[in-house]
Amino acid sequence: GAGVSQSPSNKVTEKGKDVELRCDPISGHTALYWYRQSLGQGLEFLIYFQGNSAPDKSGLPSDRFSAERTGGSVSTLTIQRTQQEDSAVYLCASSFPLVGTYEQYFGPGTRLTVT
Amino acid sequence: DAKTTQPTSMDCAEGRAANLPCNHSTISGNEYVYWYRQIHSQGPQYIIHGLKNNETNEMASLIITEDRKSSTLILPHATLRDTAVYYCIAAYWGKLQFGAGTQVVVTP
Repeated sequence: GAGVSQSPSNKVTEKGKDVELRCDPISGHTALYWYRQSLGQGLEFLIYFQGNSAPDKSGLPSDRFSAERTGGSVSTLTIQRTQQEDSAVYLCASSFPLVGTYEQYFGPGTRLTVT
Repeated sequence: DAKTTQPTSMDCAEGRAANLPCNHSTISGNEYVYWYRQIHSQGPQYIIHGLKNNETNEMASLIITEDRKSSTLILPHATLRDTAVYYCIAAYWGKLQFGAGTQVVVTP
């Protein structure tokens, strides 16, 4: 079956512009996660959704970052007024319910470059 | 979530077993041990997880010590395609905290 998909695969934007990153989870997966991986670094947890609700937003780096999920499916991560330090690969993952032993399936990521 | 400690890197000969250690001495009773790997330029891939008992699937085996303070991931017959960064994570729920992992290089 189809895996997690993300779009765009690559995004180059100028400093100060807003960007939207999209994630399509595996059908039926109720939990959705966003991570960030800067060059040569490990993965940094950003936010998770259970259904359309995001109970914990503390991982978002700043108030320029926001995310939403609609219909319990597609999620969008928005970065406003992008900065060069936002350059990274943004990864989305989905799983069955949040709590428990369900493995996360990751998408291929969106590589964001802020010039 | 408990912090995990892994070696920075290790080499393994193709066809041999790769044994990847992980320390998680502060793991709590309800936290599972998860292993993921990340092949260059791809998203992480789930390998295996366990709570107390040893586990085996088509990819690997997971050996967890009786005190649960450490574990070993075993790739029984490493191939060149197993070259990746391997992450050991202790977590109860989905907020996975990835550390630096172990860079495994499988050589011919």
